[in-house]
Amino acid sequence: AQSVSQHNHHVILSEAASLELGCNYSYGGTVNLFWYVQYPGQHLQLLLKYFSGDPLVKGIKGFEAEFIKSKFSFNLRKPSVQWSDTAEYFCAVNKKSNYQLIWGAGTKLIIKP
Amino acid sequence: GAGVSQSPSNKVTEKGKDVELRCDPISGHTALYWYRQRLGQGLEFLIYFQGNSAPDKSGLPSDRFSAERTGGSVSTLTIQRTQQEDSAVYLCASSLGIDPDTQYFGPGTRLTVL
Repeated sequence: AQSVSQHNHHVILSEAASLELGCNYSYGGTVNLFWYVQYPGQHLQLLLKYFSGDPLVKGIKGFEAEFIKSKFSFNLRKPSVQWSDTAEYFCAVNKKSNYQLIWGAGTKLIIKP
Repeated sequence: GAGVSQSPSNKVTEKGKDVELRCDPISGHTALYWYRQRLGQGLEFLIYFQGNSAPDKSGLPSDRFSAERTGGSVSTLTIQRTQQEDSAVYLCASSLGIDPDTQYFGPGTRLTVL
């Protein structure tokens, strides 16, 4: 079955630390890739997405992600986190021309001030 | 502009009762999705509407769950004879219905079945 794995369920970092959250998917073929974020008390928001082209994509709030096709990965990065980055982060994937998104279980990120 | 809205934001019900959850998509979005999110888990696809096409109901967990979309806009998710395992956050998303596409989410309805 198709699946998306986020290996870290909880991550705790201090402010200014660098962040990398892992996301791996099990599909073959071409895919669309997404990272969504859910801040405390808020709804899911799109952080960034990859459809095609440059595999390094930049999103809002200084986040970026790199699509590595050979590794079936789409890891999220930020060089220096802030307390306001405390949130839950979800990776999602769909096959091209297929609307169904398959979601990872999410990573809860806590930034200590 | 206005985003996806959902109502109610919270619903507490007794086991065996029916509930209706409402979703208002972004104006102009032809695609609408319902998801369920249980505590500590990712989103679980329930149903998908695209324009006037027959909905994809493949994610509905049982025949107690149904959804409709009136006039290609507002959607209602109905859960009949609720069970405790139905307790979750129910999320609605909408999108332009193009390929590739991006889904935009509402705030969700937190359903608690006692």
